[in-house]
Amino acid sequence: KQEVTQIPAALSVPEGENLVLNCSFTDSAIYNLQWFRQDPGKGLTSLLLIQSSQREQTSGRLNASLDKSSGRSTLYIAASQPGDSATYLCAVSGGSARQLTFGSGTQLTVLP
Amino acid sequence: GAVVSQHPSWVICKSGTSVKIECRSLDFQATTMFWYRQFPKQSLMLMATSNEGSKATYEQGVEKDKFLINHASLTLSTLTVTSAHPEDSSFYICSASWDRTAYPEQYFGPGTRLTVT
Repeated sequence: KQEVTQIPAALSVPEGENLVLNCSFTDSAIYNLQWFRQDPGKGLTSLLLIQSSQREQTSGRLNASLDKSSGRSTLYIAASQPGDSATYLCAVSGGSARQLTFGSGTQLTVLP
Repeated sequence: GAVVSQHPSWVICKSGTSVKIECRSLDFQATTMFWYRQFPKQSLMLMATSNEGSKATYEQGVEKDKFLINHASLTLSTLTVTSAHPEDSSFYICSASWDRTAYPEQYFGPGTRLTVT
């Protein structure tokens, strides 16, 4: 059974810092990996999707990498802003129905 | 594109009643829809997977008689929580995907907050 772990569980940084969020998964037979953002009491916002054949994806200040063989992904956020404060979830897609398995999330606080 | 809506966004019901939550794909046809629940400060847990026109596949530990899922069309799936109890209070999120591509992506609805009193 796929298990997804995210480290750290919570992170607090001053504005302007670059930061890295980590995600690891136990079964490397995945179709893709996604990073989501969730604000309190809200739904999910998809940030980046990396197909299993890809190594990284970039969108603005965000860069996500995927090392399928080692079961790891990182989300790099450059020049963090208070508006980046949210919970970041990593999820991997696998199985016959391409179901997503989510990590427990990293709660990020960017201090002004 | 790829917008998924949920209705209602929040609902309060009394213990013992049933409540229906709708999930709609607005601008694409969803061959597969997924239902998740999320308890406070926890991650999303998959409840069930439904394909249009067929019975839903429930995850281990999810009561299929309590959480009725219907995927009657390519744009609509419904989750009915029957005989709701306070422990069913949670955030329910649906997602939809178009499986006719090689690497289907799931598109998420905004979620429904259910409170059972």
